[in-house]
Amino acid sequence: ETGVTQSPTHLIKTRGQQVTLRCSSQSGHNTVSWYQQALGQGPQFIFQYYREEENGRGNFPPRFSGLQFPNYSSELNVNALELDDSALYLCASSFPDQRESGELFFGEGSRLTVL
Amino acid sequence: AQTVTQSQPEMSVQEAETVTLSCTYDTSESDYYLFWYKQPPSRQMILVIRQEAYKQQNATENRFSVNFQKAAKSFSLKISDSQLGDAAMYFCAYRSANAGNMLTFGGGTRLMVKP
Repeated sequence: ETGVTQSPTHLIKTRGQQVTLRCSSQSGHNTVSWYQQALGQGPQFIFQYYREEENGRGNFPPRFSGLQFPNYSSELNVNALELDDSALYLCASSFPDQRESGELFFGEGSRLTVL
Repeated sequence: AQTVTQSQPEMSVQEAETVTLSCTYDTSESDYYLFWYKQPPSRQMILVIRQEAYKQQNATENRFSVNFQKAAKSFSLKISDSQLGDAAMYFCAYRSANAGNMLTFGGGTRLMVKP
C-alpha cells in the first residue's frame, strides 16, 4: 500500500505566475483535501474533492482551484501568485468511510516560494 | 466558525520524563472529532491520537494519552516516557462530524526533548 505522494517537493515562482501542484492519494482513498501551511503556523484548509467534485472550501480566493481525476489523484492550481502564497502545501486523503475512522493521511507537502 | 488555540509555542522535556501539551477549542457543535498530529522535520503530518466527542473515555495510544474535558472545551496531550524521536511540532485539530476532510488546526507547539 503506497502512501500519499506529492510533487514537486520544492519550487520557486515569481509574482503573477501560475503553479500546479500534484498529489497521488493513498490506494483506495476517494476523498482528497488540500491545506496551506505558512511558515510557523498550522495548516489551513483550502478545499476538498470527493468523486471528482469540489464539496467543501475554506476561505481562499477563486484563483486557488483544483481537480480530482478518476484515479483519485489531484491537482492544486494557483493563478496570479502573490508573495503571501509562499507556504507548504499539504495534500491529505482518506477512506470512503472516513466519517467513522476520522483519519486523514498526509503527504510530505510541496514547498512553494514566491519571489 | 470553530477555532483551535494552542497557548504553548514551545515546550521542553527531559528524555524519559512526561510532558503535557495544551489545546482549547471553541465550537457550538456537539458532534465532532479532535486530533493531535505530529509534524517532524520531514514535514509529513502523522496522526498521534484521536478522540470522538461522544466518548467520555479519554483516548490512549501507548505512551500518548489525552485529557478531554468537553464542557471546558479542552483537549490536552500527555506524552509519557518521552523519547528523542518525539521531538517535533504538535498540532491540535478539530473536525466537525459533517465536515468531511476539513480540519481546523491550532498554531502548533514545538516540543524539544533533551537527552
